[in-house]
Amino acid sequence: EVQLVESGGGLVQPGGSQRLSCVASGFIFSSYWMFWVRQAPGKGLEWVSRINLDGRDTPYADSVKGRFTISRDNAKNTLYLQMNSLRAEDTGVYYCATVGRTGILAYWGQGTLVTVSS
Amino acid sequence: DIQMTQSPSTLSASVGDRVTITCRASQSIGNWLAWYQQKPGKAPKVLIYKASNLENGVPSRFSGSGSGTDFTLTISTLQPDDFAAYYCQEYSTYYTFGQGTKLQIK
Repeated sequence: EVQLVESGGGLVQPGGSQRLSCVASGFIFSSYWMFWVRQAPGKGLEWVSRINLDGRDTPYADSVKGRFTISRDNAKNTLYLQMNSLRAEDTGVYYCATVGRTGILAYWGQGTLVTVSS
Repeated sequence: DIQMTQSPSTLSASVGDRVTITCRASQSIGNWLAWYQQKPGKAPKVLIYKASNLENGVPSRFSGSGSGTDFTLTISTLQPDDFAAYYCQEYSTYYTFGQGTKLQIK
């Protein structure tokens, strides 16, 4: 069974940094693209970033470009999101996700809440 | 970048109704379009992939259509469990989501 477990959320001050992790199990992690998707309170889903198999292709949403960095450790079956220069508008639940056999985001974690506030 | 526009933002309907949600892409995405359902406090769940293909286990009252830039999600006979938020998503480039449609009880 595919499992994705995020951690690292919490309260952080504006301008601060936070690193999120997502531990994967139940599938061959190194063979799948991985994604971060976020959702601000009461708002819709926003694609944040995606990483390919070897970590060299990492596009970002314009809203986080230059501040967030996605990475992966295939030996540890773990996906990361390093978030710097955090703003209030970065507050929300951050989900990691991966594709299923159909190429869409079939598997999601439970999400981790990041709150940016002073 | 591709922009995805959903309408309506909110839809009020009753059990038994037929409802349709539309999604428009800012440029052609072929049929690389998925639909998700999300309930409060839960991760999204896939309903439709490749514009019109029903994901395993999804009830047949859900259907999708369209190609290029214009797509629709139809629920043929609303059930109580269907009141939720719905999102379209293109996966031809960066997996961009539409802004969502909240389906609420009338």
